[in-house]
Amino acid sequence: DSGVTQTPKHLITATGQRVTLRCSPRSGDLSVYWYQQSLDQGLQFLIQYYNGEERAKGNILERFSAQQFPDLHSELNLSSLELGDSALYFCASSANMYNEQFFGPGTRLTVL
Amino acid sequence: GEDVEQSLFLSVREGDSSVINCTYTDSSSTYLYWYKQEPGAGLQLLTYIFSNMDMKQDQRLTVLLNKKDKHLSLRIADTQTGDSAIYFCAEADRFGGSTLGRLYFGRGTQLTVWP
Repeated sequence: DSGVTQTPKHLITATGQRVTLRCSPRSGDLSVYWYQQSLDQGLQFLIQYYNGEERAKGNILERFSAQQFPDLHSELNLSSLELGDSALYFCASSANMYNEQFFGPGTRLTVL
Repeated sequence: GEDVEQSLFLSVREGDSSVINCTYTDSSSTYLYWYKQEPGAGLQLLTYIFSNMDMKQDQRLTVLLNKKDKHLSLRIADTQTGDSAIYFCAEADRFGGSTLGRLYFGRGTQLTVWP
């Protein structure tokens, strides 16, 4: 157990819908990262937050957004969902911006 | 740092050593990581090495780094059936001489251990 929690574990929804994925980092970690894992793209970095502020953006679609709250938990919002958004979404946390990252168990999103 | 390459499959017999290979692209100093993913689970950090080191050993795991060839390997001694999983190599992003947080991952190597 890495100490990073993610909810829900599974999510099944329809095209065009909006969902919110939640992540709680390890106790004391200030940085949160979101990654998407799919069969065709592999593991792709989406976005990073540090102590409530966005620090880096990767291959994140405009339909996706994220935020990190004062209690350091983070949410990833995915809207206007398409079939191709079906993937495993991982959250990771690290002590600061540069330390090793610990991953949560992931949220499996299925868009029908 | 965006092109991290790994072979996709490796099969070994229980008790043998496994060697999983990876090549990366960034020539500047950076951190390189090995993660393990079991079916239906998240990524477990196994070990990491800074690019000014040649080798790091941690119990059954040995990481070797060839900076000239940008080649990283993970050796698992006395491989067990419980080591069957996907192993990912990852490189930390670099910009302007600083290590950034994002990781670039290879596609993963599926290790199968036969009894």
